[in-house]
Amino acid sequence: SAVISQKPSRDICQRGTSLTIQCQVDSQVTMMFWYRQQPGQSLTLIATANQGSEATYESGFVIDKFPISRPNLTFSTLTVSNMSPEDSSIYLCSVGTGPNSPLHFGNGTRLTVT
Amino acid sequence: AQTVTQSQPEMSVQEAETVTLSCTYDTSESDYYLFWYKQPPSRQMILVIRQEAYKQQNATENRFSVNFQKAAKSFSLKISDSQLGDAAMYFCAYRSEGGSEKLVFGKGTKLTVNP
Repeated sequence: SAVISQKPSRDICQRGTSLTIQCQVDSQVTMMFWYRQQPGQSLTLIATANQGSEATYESGFVIDKFPISRPNLTFSTLTVSNMSPEDSSIYLCSVGTGPNSPLHFGNGTRLTVT
Repeated sequence: AQTVTQSQPEMSVQEAETVTLSCTYDTSESDYYLFWYKQPPSRQMILVIRQEAYKQQNATENRFSVNFQKAAKSFSLKISDSQLGDAAMYFCAYRSEGGSEKLVFGKGTKLTVNP
């Protein structure tokens, strides 16, 4: 299984600022995903981070708000832009190691926007 | 689009007893995967058990087992000999076979284990 390091583990940010979350995997992986978990809620997929091309966003999420980079097969970043209190959530990076393998998750980033 | 429904927002069980968490899903696909993930307060998502839809045999992992009813689109999780460490949020998840490996999650069930 893949070991995923996600940073920062938590942050408190002011309204209108941006935060970049990093996800580092200890091995090359084909698929990387970013999920959001709002307080007391389930996980919702934001986007699939594609290596070498633009991310694929789910309905309700846009690149201007959640720009994603994936420069190689072991690293990705998610930026939460122009934050508002509604962006207060846990953001989780997950990776897929193959079609027959389950997704593995990082420890998440707890974001609080004041 | 696929949907996953967990109808029990909260469940409780006495230590050493057995509890069953419910999950139903909606899909038009014939091949897919189903998962149960556990999320303790540390918020780490931990895989509990997985089931391939083409397998008729129910998956088991130590004290955890599933009752997979493909025709009914039901995928319940049974936890036997419950332990205090089992207390967590449990999420049922669906993944299509082939293509993207993204998961669709249910809303979760909060499990409390009473000593």
